[in-house]
Amino acid sequence: AQSVSQHNHHVILSEAASLELGCNYSYGGTVNLFWYVQYPGQHLQLLLKYFSGDPLVKGIKGFEAEFIKSKFSFNLRKPSVQWSDTAEYFCAVIGASKIIFGSGTRLSIRP
Amino acid sequence: DTAVSQTPKYLVTQMGNDKSIKCEQNLGHDTMYWYKQDSKKFLKIMFSYNNKELIINETVPNRFSPKSPDKAHLNLHINSLELGDSAVYFCASSQGGARTNSPLHFGNGTRLTVT
Repeated sequence: AQSVSQHNHHVILSEAASLELGCNYSYGGTVNLFWYVQYPGQHLQLLLKYFSGDPLVKGIKGFEAEFIKSKFSFNLRKPSVQWSDTAEYFCAVIGASKIIFGSGTRLSIRP
Repeated sequence: DTAVSQTPKYLVTQMGNDKSIKCEQNLGHDTMYWYKQDSKKFLKIMFSYNNKELIINETVPNRFSPKSPDKAHLNLHINSLELGDSAVYFCASSQGGARTNSPLHFGNGTRLTVT
């Protein structure tokens, strides 16, 4: 069965710290991978997506993610976070004709 | 212009009532979804419609009934509301459904509170 795991439930960082949020999926076939962000009180917005090609994907607001097929991972990174990055981050996978979301990681940034 | 719009934004109602949430998208997408986000922010798909036909129907109570009058609209009707139905409900749309690479576009959500 297709599944997505985000092991970090809540991450707290200081401004300018580097960020890495983990995402692992289980599905044996070809996958399409996404990261969505949900700012407080708002809807989900697409941060970045991976379909094929270069496994290092750049998204909006300085975020990037790397698809490592051998590890079934698609971790989200940002070299220097800002207070405005405080949000909930969701990894999502399209595998067998279904979009599955991870449980989300709450990111809190200390000013 | 809002791409995916849901109404109402907030809905407070008592147990046992019947309520509806409306969703409209102006992106020309052929697939629409309803997701439920619980208090722990966990997102779970409820329904998916492609060109007005139901293609995903996860295990949700029969009290939830989606209606798609055309491919730009997907409404959610809930009968006999229960306390556990309190959540934020997100409508979303995409082109080609989950078989394609099309990302989801989400509405702003409807916060349902059942008292």
